[in-house]
Amino acid sequence: GAVVSQHPSWVICKSGTSVKIECRSLDFQATTMFWYRQFPKQSLMLMATSNEGSKATYEQGVEKDKFLINHASLTLSTLTVTSAHPEDSSFYICSARDPPQGNNSPLHFGNGTRLTVT
Amino acid sequence: GQNIDQPTEMTATEGAIVQINCTYQTSGFNGLFWYQQHAGEAPTFLSYNVLDGLEEKGRFSSFLSRSKGYSYLLLKELQMKDSASYLCAVKRGTYKYIFGTGTRLKVLA
Repeated sequence: GAVVSQHPSWVICKSGTSVKIECRSLDFQATTMFWYRQFPKQSLMLMATSNEGSKATYEQGVEKDKFLINHASLTLSTLTVTSAHPEDSSFYICSARDPPQGNNSPLHFGNGTRLTVT
Repeated sequence: GQNIDQPTEMTATEGAIVQINCTYQTSGFNGLFWYQQHAGEAPTFLSYNVLDGLEEKGRFSSFLSRSKGYSYLLLKELQMKDSASYLCAVKRGTYKYIFGTGTRLKVLA
């Protein structure tokens, strides 16, 4: 089945630093990937849709300058949390559809990245 | 706007049957997915409905009524390992998947 790999699984960083999270589709090409954020005991909130070769589409309320998304190839999307603050501490999960164009294609998720900003 | 509602928590006994409901209001409806998520892990896909009716997959079944904006996930022969959160997700248009609040299911021995 489709596998989405996300790295790192967890990261602790100091306030003011930047953190990059990678999301790779291992056995399929993903022209579109999705980045979600999840707070404890809450559901997934869509942050942005990452499009290969073009700009990401951000959801309302998500700062594009703070959460930089790059989708340079058909198998890799990155999310960079810039100038991180403690309130950015959360569980970040990426996902992609396989097959990309199928109407009933489910989202396959990476294992998530737990970010803690001290 | 869009709104997807699920009960926050449910408790059931091992071996029993439990039904988790999901109601939604959204434009551009293009399918409904159910996911299971264990604590600290990523969600895993369970089922998909785009037409009205019941889809059965082993111990799990999912039902959809588009006219009522309603779906449910039915879990039979509950096992302890079924303790998890269950997320209802509505697909809008081609690419957008919006998740419900999630239902935390606790299975008791």
